[in-house]
Amino acid sequence: EPEVTQTPSHQVTQMGQEVILRCVPISNHLYFYWYRQILGQKVEFLVSFYNNEISEKSEIFDDQFSVERPDGSNFTLKIRSTKLEDSAMYFCASSKGLKGYGYTFGSGTRLTVV
Amino acid sequence: AQRVTQPEKLLSVFKGAPVELKCNYSYSGSPELFWYVQYSRQRLQLLLRHISRESIKGFTADLNKGETSFHLKKPFAQEEDSAMYYCALSGIQGAQKLVFGQGTRLTINP
Repeated sequence: EPEVTQTPSHQVTQMGQEVILRCVPISNHLYFYWYRQILGQKVEFLVSFYNNEISEKSEIFDDQFSVERPDGSNFTLKIRSTKLEDSAMYFCASSKGLKGYGYTFGSGTRLTVV
Repeated sequence: AQRVTQPEKLLSVFKGAPVELKCNYSYSGSPELFWYVQYSRQRLQLLLRHISRESIKGFTADLNKGETSFHLKKPFAQEEDSAMYYCALSGIQGAQKLVFGQGTRLTINP
């Protein structure tokens, strides 16, 4: 069964540093997403991406966040200047279409900002 | 505003007992509702969605629009059902994002 792959599984970074979280969505999926889960809290939507542009973003997704699909297979989330409160589990997902159907999640990247 | 509420953070039942995980939602239109499961150290997996009215691993969930609920039920719990369960909704106005509840950690005692 096809999977969404995320790397690395765990990243530790110093406050103020830039990080790039990487995801390889399922090849025939058209919609790509990033979610995050702060320890002990709910899974929160960050951004959706379709047709090479952001289709929706949450208020969490401020100017320090950006997404990119640089080469047609990878889907990245960049945090320009990390803060302690960015420490969380970041999940990538992809889907074929609308209405939340056919979502497949990656196994997540645990980001720890020290 | 879109909101999903799972009132129980923790739920513990004995093997063979019935299970009900509660989920209530708030949405101005007619959302699509889902249950996701996360077993220990594994990724989020779709368990079931209301539109298909299916039963997966013995679990069922009925959308009650009057009570704005989508409770997950299983008549006889098994030890392998121990996991984190998330209720989620998606609007149907073109938005693809999922709005999750806080999750309920279900523990099945032998």
